[in-house]
Amino acid sequence: GAVVSQHPSRVICKSGTSVKIECRSLDFQATTMFWYRQFPKKSLMLMATSNEGSKATYEQGVEKDKFLINHASLTLSTLTVTSAHPEDSSFYICSAPGDSGKLFFGSGTQLSVL
Amino acid sequence: QQQVKQSPQSLIVQKGGISIINCAYENTAFDYFPWYQQFPGKGPALLIAIRPDVSEKKEGRFTISFNKSAKQFSLHIMDSQPGDSATYFCAARSNGGFKTIFGAGTRLFVKA
Repeated sequence: GAVVSQHPSRVICKSGTSVKIECRSLDFQATTMFWYRQFPKKSLMLMATSNEGSKATYEQGVEKDKFLINHASLTLSTLTVTSAHPEDSSFYICSAPGDSGKLFFGSGTQLSVL
Repeated sequence: QQQVKQSPQSLIVQKGGISIINCAYENTAFDYFPWYQQFPGKGPALLIAIRPDVSEKKEGRFTISFNKSAKQFSLHIMDSQPGDSATYFCAARSNGGFKTIFGAGTRLFVKA
């Protein structure tokens, strides 16, 4: 099956700094990727749809200036958490649609903001 | 965003037993219903999926039952094993797109 690689798997940063998370489709091209956020023991909440070559589409309530998304190529989408604060600490997961209508997920990034 | 309701929140099953997780939806535009399995610290992995023109789909020990009129679907895990202990999410998406909405999740624990 298709592989979605997410990096880093874990990051710890100081409050006020920015953190970039990468999501790559390794063996297929993805014009669209999705970014989710998951709190402990909770469901996945869709944050935004990343569109190759155009602006991302954000879900209601998600701050565009806080969570910057760039989809510069057909295999790479990045999520940058700007001026991170402790409340941004969470598990972030990306996904990309592969063949046959299946959605493949990265392994996630655990962000901890001190 | 809570358009897919999932129950129970947690489930304990004896090894060899049947695990049953239920989901209900409201949006009739949904046309694809996947189930995902997630282990701690990992991303979700697709288990099995169904479209509303089919009432049941089976893959190995995993079966989805779908009731279109009731707008409900369920996952049955036969001969449950300790390795099945994980969190399971039902999900739905619509109109041929890939934007996927997840249920709240069910934490399954299979006792050896």
